[in-house]
Amino acid sequence: EPEVTQTPSHQVTQMGQEVILRCVPISNHLYFYWYRQILGQKVEFLVSFYNNEISEKSEIFDDQFSVERPDGSNFTLKIRSTKLEDSAMYFCASRRGLAGDNEQYFGPGTRLTVT
Amino acid sequence: AQSVTQPDIHITVSEGASLELRCNYSYGATPYLFWYVQSPGQGLQLLLKYFSGDTLVQGIKGFEAEFKRSQSSFNLRKPSVHWSDAAEYFCAVGPAGGSQGNLIFGKGTKLSVKP
Repeated sequence: EPEVTQTPSHQVTQMGQEVILRCVPISNHLYFYWYRQILGQKVEFLVSFYNNEISEKSEIFDDQFSVERPDGSNFTLKIRSTKLEDSAMYFCASRRGLAGDNEQYFGPGTRLTVT
Repeated sequence: AQSVTQPDIHITVSEGASLELRCNYSYGATPYLFWYVQSPGQGLQLLLKYFSGDTLVQGIKGFEAEFKRSQSSFNLRKPSVHWSDAAEYFCAVGPAGGSQGNLIFGKGTKLSVKP
């Protein structure tokens, strides 16, 4: 069964450094998402992406964040200058986009630790 | 405001006992409703979803949930809990037919299972 994959599974970085989290969505899906989950807290929406542009973003997704689909298969989340509070599990998700189907398929997550 | 409330932070049940996890939502339109399960250090696995039709939906691992529009609830149930069900459970709501489809999650209920 097709699945969403994410790399790396764990990323440790120093405060102020740039990180890129990578995701490979399911191949025939059209909508892509990033969510994050700070340890012990709920999963929060960051950004959605469709037709090669951001379709919606939350207040969390400020100028330090950016997303890209560079080659038609990967979907990346870049944090330009990481802060301690960016430490979290980051989940990528994708959705087919057919009418009446809102199921999102989640990847296993990347645990980001900022020191 | 759109929100999902899971009033129970932590529930402990004995193996073989029945389980009900509560979920209430506040949503301005017809919602799509989901239950996800997260084992420690793992990603989010979809247990079941409700889009329309029969308000009692069956999911994987013997779980079911009932949508009650009048109570804005979507409670998850299982008649007999297994030790392997110990995990965190998240209820989520998303827009019906919306183009973005980003999900709003509850804070989760952690389930512990006593032998």
